[in-house]
Amino acid sequence: AQKVTQAQTEISVVEKEDVTLDCVYETRDTTYYLFWYKQPPSGELVFLIRRNSFDEQNEISGRYSWNFQKSTSSFNFTITASQVVDSAVYFCALSEVYGNKLVFGAGTILRVKS
Amino acid sequence: DTGVSQDPRHKITKRGQNVTFRCDPISEHNRLYWYRQTLGQGPEFLTYFQNEAQLEKSRLLSDRFSAERPKGSFSTLEIQRTEQGDSAMYLCASSLRIVDRGPYEQYFGPGTRLTVT
Repeated sequence: AQKVTQAQTEISVVEKEDVTLDCVYETRDTTYYLFWYKQPPSGELVFLIRRNSFDEQNEISGRYSWNFQKSTSSFNFTITASQVVDSAVYFCALSEVYGNKLVFGAGTILRVKS
Repeated sequence: DTGVSQDPRHKITKRGQNVTFRCDPISEHNRLYWYRQTLGQGPEFLTYFQNEAQLEKSRLLSDRFSAERPKGSFSTLEIQRTEQGDSAMYLCASSLRIVDRGPYEQYFGPGTRLTVT
């Protein structure tokens, strides 16, 4: 069975600090996909990134970066120079290749204070 | 450009009543999903459609729940004889699926918040 663990329930930082959100996953599949979503206070889930299991290159998009390490089954998300607008719940999710349903972690609440 | 829309946004009902929610996906998306999210948890998969065919249902989906996607466009989720435990946010998502390509990202609607009193 697939499982996603986000051990950090809540993180509080001060604006401009860097913050890393952890994600550890379990799957028996050799091919799978990992995702990060943001859920701001308005409630709508916003897609951030998709990564397949064959691509272990780190990715950077503006202040966001993702570190995928297959050896430790982790897909961590770092926000550099955090801003108040980054305050949200962040979800890591896992998908098998063909079914495509997402298995979500419990989420990490990020609070960025000014 | 219109994203995924859901109607209603909020629904308050009494225990034992039936409720129906509607989801309109992004127009070119052939896959549509339903998830349920309770407070402090991540969304949990309920069911999904490829075009009009319902391809998978979660064991979470009791026989009081039924979903349809006639003509492969909008979808409805009906809950019969609602119980207080059904109170949750019901999320709809859509995506594009192309044969022999990996799953594309799912785009979520704003959700329908159901409160059963």
